[in-house]
Amino acid sequence: QLQLQESGPGLVKPSETLSLTCTVSGGSIGSSSYYCGWIRQPPGKGLEWIGIIYYNGNTYYNPSLKSRVTISVDTSKNQLSLRLSSVTAADTAVYYCARLPIACDAFDIWGQGTMVTVSS
Amino acid sequence: EIVLTQSPATLSLSPGERATLSCRASQSVSSYLAWYQQKPGQAPRLLIYHISKRATGIPARFSGSGSGTDFTLTISSLEPEDFAVYYCQQRNTLITFGQGTRLEIK
Repeated sequence: QLQLQESGPGLVKPSETLSLTCTVSGGSIGSSSYYCGWIRQPPGKGLEWIGIIYYNGNTYYNPSLKSRVTISVDTSKNQLSLRLSSVTAADTAVYYCARLPIACDAFDIWGQGTMVTVSS
Repeated sequence: EIVLTQSPATLSLSPGERATLSCRASQSVSSYLAWYQQKPGQAPRLLIYHISKRATGIPARFSGSGSGTDFTLTISSLEPEDFAVYYCQQRNTLITFGQGTRLEIK
């Protein structure tokens, strides 16, 4: 059974770059059957889609975040990465990585999430 | 950007009752509409995809319906564990989520 686990700093300073890693176990991240992506959730608020990446490197980003986001895949390490630049307090959230199979066009497997706080 | 509007914001019902949650899209999302359940401190769980297909392990009391821009998630008879927040999500044009409906115990 595929599992995803997010990791990274829990505290990032304003104007710096947030960097998170999602490690995939129980399967390969380099599959043509699905995308992998990132979703975030500010405290007490709803879900916000950040972006997805296909195994061939094609990426799709939320237009509201596109200028600051980079999602990449390292198939040798079976890892997905997120970089979000020039962060502010509004970027404080739980960040989830998740799998989106082409067959269902929805996120069927999620990591447990990691809380990132932007504060000096 | 396709905006998904969920209603009501909060739904107060008792166990055993039927729950009907709505999701309206600002333009057609074809069949690319999914529903998730989220409990406090947990990641969302996929319930329904492609409008009406139940994800693996999802009980039959959960059903989805609709077309075009108007969609419904129905829980036929509420169990205590069903009280949570529910989100819809579209994948027709990029990806967006609705703002959520909180289903609370009356």
